[in-house]
Amino acid sequence: AQSVSQHNHHVILSEAASLELGCNYSYGGTVNLFWYVQYPGQHLQLLLKYFSGDPLVKGIKGFEAEFIKSKFSFNLRKPSVQWSDTAEYFCAVNEVGINNDMRFGAGTRLTVKP
Amino acid sequence: DVKVTQSSRYLVKRTGEKVFLECVQDMDHENMFWYRQDPGLGLRLIYFSYDVKMKEKGDIPEGYSVSREKKERFSLILESASTNQTSMYLCASRSGYSYNEQFFGPGTRLTVL
Repeated sequence: AQSVSQHNHHVILSEAASLELGCNYSYGGTVNLFWYVQYPGQHLQLLLKYFSGDPLVKGIKGFEAEFIKSKFSFNLRKPSVQWSDTAEYFCAVNEVGINNDMRFGAGTRLTVKP
Repeated sequence: DVKVTQSSRYLVKRTGEKVFLECVQDMDHENMFWYRQDPGLGLRLIYFSYDVKMKEKGDIPEGYSVSREKKERFSLILESASTNQTSMYLCASRSGYSYNEQFFGPGTRLTVL
C-alpha cells in the first residue's frame, strides 16, 4: 500500500542547531511532494513543495528540502532553527494527476529550546 | 487569500447522534477534502470530492459519509457517532492540479461522549 513515513516523532533542539527531518514514501509513480507546518493553535500551511525541476527546493522561513528519487525521500532541512520554528511538521505526497488525493505522514513535533 | 471555514471549532455530541460538519471555501476550488488528525497518526483522509456531487473514499471512510451539493460546500456526516470518532477534523480545498497547494480550515475538535 502507498504510504508516507516520517522517522522522527519528536525532535528537541536548541536554538541555532541544524535541523533535518526525514520523509520517505512508497509510491511507485511520479509524485508531487509537500511539507506542511502547523504552528500551535494555527492552521496547517504549506512550507514548500516539489513537483518538477531542481530537486532542491526552497520554502518559506529558511526551510529547504531535497528530493532524492532513488531513495524515495524528501527530507526537510534548516541550517539554524529558531524558537519560533516550534511546530508540527507533516510530509505529504500525491501522485501526478488532476484529481488525486494526498497522503500525509504521521508528523514530527519539533521543540526548539530558547 | 483563500479562506476555508468550518462551522464549529469545538463540538460535543453523544454516542448515536447524527453529526454534521460543514466546510466552506471561497476560492472556487474544484477539490475538497476531509481528514481526521490524531496524535501519532498524522492526517488520515476520510473522503474527498473533485466536483459537485462527486465523492471518493479515502483511507478511513467507515462510519462517515459526505455531501457536496454546491461547489463551495463540503459536508462530513457521522451517521451514528461513536466514541472512537472523537478527533480533530480538518477540511481542505485545492484548485485543479495535484501539484497545487491544499488550503486548510481551522479544524473542528469533536468529542463524542
